[in-house]
Amino acid sequence: GESVGLHLPTLSVQEGDNSIINCAYSNSASDYFIWYKQESGKGPQFIIDIRSNMDKRQGQRVTVLLNKTVKHLSLQIAATQPGDSAVYFCAENWALGFGNEKLTFGTGTRLTIIP
Amino acid sequence: NAGVTQTPKFRVLKTGQSMTLLCAQDMNHEYMYWYRQDPGMGLRLIHYSVGEGTTAKGEVPDGYNVSRLKKQNFLLGLESAAPSQTSVYFCASTPIAGGAGGYTFGSGTRLTVV
Repeated sequence: GESVGLHLPTLSVQEGDNSIINCAYSNSASDYFIWYKQESGKGPQFIIDIRSNMDKRQGQRVTVLLNKTVKHLSLQIAATQPGDSAVYFCAENWALGFGNEKLTFGTGTRLTIIP
Repeated sequence: NAGVTQTPKFRVLKTGQSMTLLCAQDMNHEYMYWYRQDPGMGLRLIHYSVGEGTTAKGEVPDGYNVSRLKKQNFLLGLESAAPSQTSVYFCASTPIAGGAGGYTFGSGTRLTVV
């Protein structure tokens, strides 16, 4: 069935190092993927997105890679900072028709940056 | 620039009580969503709206009702609260379906049903 899952529930990274958060999805019809960051007590915050016709997209210190062959998504954060500590969610979006969309979230990975 | 505002931020209800959660957005977005977030789980879609006057069921709609009488407001109602509805509720909006930039989320309402 459809699912969006994460390989690792927790990840600890030394400050200044790069981090990679992985996500697997099973719905090949998904056409749009989003990474969110959620800090404690706050709502999810958009980080970066990628459409299914792309395999890589870069932002400021973040890169998202999409491998449609194995249905895998990853978020790379370069030169991590203490403020990067949060829970990161991947989400896949697919059209249901008639303007309806469905955004399915993974369970999240908690990233901890070690000073 | 308020974005998405949710009220209240916290609430404790007794089993069987009713309440309404309010979501307001000032970005003129067409699409609005209500999610719940439980420990160890991702966000699950309760109900959504693709425009003023429209609503549709999401993944976990039972026990909830919604209304979108005005474009900027999306209300989530619990008619008879149950302990299983203890959760953090998030509202989100987006200008177009699948639009670039993702969804804008509110800061959440933490609801406890005792």
